Amino acid sequence: GNSVTQMEGPVTLSEEAFLTINCTYTATGYPSLFWYVQYPGEGLQLLLKATKADDKGSNKGFEATYRKETTSFHLEKGSVQVSDSAVYFCALGTGGGNKLTFGTGTQLKVEL
Amino acid sequence: SQTIHQWPATLVQPVGSPLSLECTVEGTSNPNLYWYRQAAGRGLQLLFYSIGIDQISSEVPQNLSASRPQDRQFILSSKKLLLSDSGFYLCAWNPGLAGVGEQYFGPGTRLTVT
Repeated sequence: GNSVTQMEGPVTLSEEAFLTINCTYTATGYPSLFWYVQYPGEGLQLLLKATKADDKGSNKGFEATYRKETTSFHLEKGSVQVSDSAVYFCALGTGGGNKLTFGTGTQLKVEL
Repeated sequence: SQTIHQWPATLVQPVGSPLSLECTVEGTSNPNLYWYRQAAGRGLQLLFYSIGIDQISSEVPQNLSASRPQDRQFILSSKKLLLSDSGFYLCAWNPGLAGVGEQYFGPGTRLTVT
């Protein structure tokens, strides 16, 4: 079956530090890959996506590259801000009904 | 543009009471609809999904049921709540088009069963 593995959190960084949140996946076929962000008390927001190997998704300074050879989709940002503090979910999509398989989420805390 | 609404935003209910959470989507037709539960500090659990009116699939056996009486309305119900039903309930939609996998989430309902 499909699965997504994310690095354990919380991740605590100082403002302007470089961010990497690791995500690896197992899937049959050719999944699409997504990163979602959840701010406290809110629903999930789609942050970026990639639909095929070597695609790079980007949004709001965040980037992730679909690496088929390593089955990974790591999230990166060059300089984090306090406002980036949130929980980040990696997900893959495949199969009927357009269902998504989510990782367990990684909490990011950015301090001044 | 499309929007998704959930209500109520918060709910406190005693054990054994019934439950009805509602989700509606505007600005699209024939969406796929989803109900998720998120326990405190945990990931997302898919509860139900629907690809059309009266076409609902249950992902996990549980104390809950779902209905889709109209194309853009999705309801989550229970006849008798359990303490373990507490959590953050999220509704989501997807355009229902091949190759479009992303889902768009509502603001959620925080349910506390006492």
